[in-house]
Amino acid sequence: DAGVIQSPRHEVTEMGQEVTLRCKPISGHNSLFWYRQTMMRGLELLIYFNNNVPIDDSGMPEDRFSAKMPNASFSTLKIQPSEPRDSAVYFCASSYSLGTTDTQYFGPGTRLTVL
Amino acid sequence: SQQGEEDPQALSIQEGENATMNCSYKTSINNLQWYRQNSGRGLVHLILIRSNEREKHSGRLRVTLDTSKKSSSLLITASRAADTASYFCAPNTDKLIFGTGTRLQVFP
Repeated sequence: DAGVIQSPRHEVTEMGQEVTLRCKPISGHNSLFWYRQTMMRGLELLIYFNNNVPIDDSGMPEDRFSAKMPNASFSTLKIQPSEPRDSAVYFCASSYSLGTTDTQYFGPGTRLTVL
Repeated sequence: SQQGEEDPQALSIQEGENATMNCSYKTSINNLQWYRQNSGRGLVHLILIRSNEREKHSGRLRVTLDTSKKSSSLLITASRAADTASYFCAPNTDKLIFGTGTRLQVFP
């Protein structure tokens, strides 16, 4: 299996621009998670989906962030407009089971820099 | 928050030595998971221990769980330079909440 695939791996953009991060979970997995990692705050869960349905978005920092999962093999995390404080590494993870109790498989991450 | 808190924050050892990392959490859990992160990479799952288990082994890894003390430990025996990474515990209730990790450096 190819594992969780994320694109792009690196993104540099200017403040105010729209940023879209993409994730392809492992085939057959039923849950998908978006995390953000910074030195100051560590690894934070932003949102997760079960069977393509958003279950918990309490970690989404503000309305500038949105996430979608139109089908079982694709999810996006969008930031509009982006701000320098959004600079971080964003990880997507998936798991076979519904919910959050199972092993999660992480992608390589997208390193976002907002200038 | 049921966030796991790892201790120590950083650990440096020589190859061949054992490395012990501890984790404390605050609420009841379904299970507790340990993950490793190499620099610039995503997290890799190491081991999952359920709330009704006290000890679990996987290769050179040994994990213990004490639910009465709300604590867990990860022991890596006979460490290798390739074990250099950050290690995170993630107590699990309704979601995984990661701590800030222990940065392990293993010198050849």
